Amino acid sequence: SQKIEQNSEALNIQEGKTATLTCNYTNYSPAYLQWYRQDPGRGPVFLLLIRENEKEKRKERLKVTFDTTLKQSLFHITASQPADSATYLCALEAAGNKLTFGGGTRVLVKP
Amino acid sequence: GAVVSQHPSRVICKSGTSVKIECRSLDFQATTMFWYRQFPKQSLMLMATSNEGSKATYEQGVEKDKFLINHASLTLSTLTVTSAHPEDSSFYICSARSNYNEQFFGPGTRLTVL
Repeated sequence: SQKIEQNSEALNIQEGKTATLTCNYTNYSPAYLQWYRQDPGRGPVFLLLIRENEKEKRKERLKVTFDTTLKQSLFHITASQPADSATYLCALEAAGNKLTFGGGTRVLVKP
Repeated sequence: GAVVSQHPSRVICKSGTSVKIECRSLDFQATTMFWYRQFPKQSLMLMATSNEGSKATYEQGVEKDKFLINHASLTLSTLTVTSAHPEDSSFYICSARSNYNEQFFGPGTRLTVL
């Protein structure tokens, strides 16, 4: 069966350090993968989309890698700030343009 | 990024009543919108895909007669929870898909059925 796995344990990190989150998937052949941020009681906010033929993508302090051989994406927040504290979701698009989400990883950046 | 709005943001209703939630894409036209449900501490679960001018496609296990979806225009989709019961209490979130395959989400609607 298809699975998208993110580390369910919260990631506690010191301000200024780099946070690295992992998204692993099985039984998918996604054309692209997306990362979202979700704050409590709010809808997800789109951050980055990376296509299968792209190895890496950057946006300001965010970096995403996509390894279709390992079936894994890494999401990095560099120079992390307390305002980066949130839950981060990865999502893959399946047939019919439907997004399937991982369980999300909560990040807590301590000052 | 693009803006998607939802209304209302919160609704409390009595068991047996129907509730309508609106989802609008404010600055782009979306031929496809999606409706999700999220329970506490869980990820988003897709309920249905809403296509402008045609019937919605529902995910397995989602009752189409209970969750009525109408996508009347390229900027508006509505979800009506009919005869709501306490187990329907949840966080309902819509999204609109851009021409570049990005999905932009609304802020969500918290439904509480008493």
